[in-house]
Amino acid sequence: QVQLKESGPGLVAPSQSLSITCTVSGFSLTSYGVHWVRQPPGKGLEWLGVIWAGGSTNYNSALMSRLSISKDNSKSQVFLKMNSLQTDDTAMYYCAREGRTTVPYYFDYWGQGTTLTVSS
Amino acid sequence: DIQMTQTTSSLSASLGDRVTISCRASQDISNYLNWYQQKPDGTVKLLIYYTSRLHSGVPSRFSGSGSGTDYSLTISNLEQEDIATYFCQQGNTLPLTFGAGTKLELK
Repeated sequence: QVQLKESGPGLVAPSQSLSITCTVSGFSLTSYGVHWVRQPPGKGLEWLGVIWAGGSTNYNSALMSRLSISKDNSKSQVFLKMNSLQTDDTAMYYCAREGRTTVPYYFDYWGQGTTLTVSS
Repeated sequence: DIQMTQTTSSLSASLGDRVTISCRASQDISNYLNWYQQKPDGTVKLLIYYTSRLHSGVPSRFSGSGSGTDYSLTISNLEQEDIATYFCQQGNTLPLTFGAGTKLELK
């Protein structure tokens, strides 16, 4: 079955960078795109970006200067890297699979999320 | 960016009720509207995509409708397991954007 699982550092100091890994199973990254979405505590969802099956990316312009998404198809892993972290980057970070139908831009399966706290 | 507005932040209902949750886009999104359910433990699931298409495995008591800028999610016979927060998301234009969510609680 389709599964996505995020793993990350949990706690990062302000101004530092982070890397979160999304490990997928039940499908191939050469066939599906994977998105990143975050949710600050008690708030709504924010789309961060996507890496498509072919390797191209799109980012939320509000964060683009600090974000990088990459992947290793052979390891079934997608990576989110963000630099210059601030306290308002504290959030639950989710990876989610792009639904592959003729309809674009929706997420048919989500990971359980990984919590990131930015604090000194 | 397209703004998505869910004017009802919380909603109380009884088991067996018919519940409707609304979502409005700041511009026409041509039916590219999706609904998600988030449980208190953070688990997120797709319910409906492209306004009214039911995702695989989602109970038929969930349905979606709308057009242009106004959309809604209806739960026809509320069950205990439906207690959650519901988010709409537009898939018309990048950046993808979400509504703030509607928290469904038991009356």
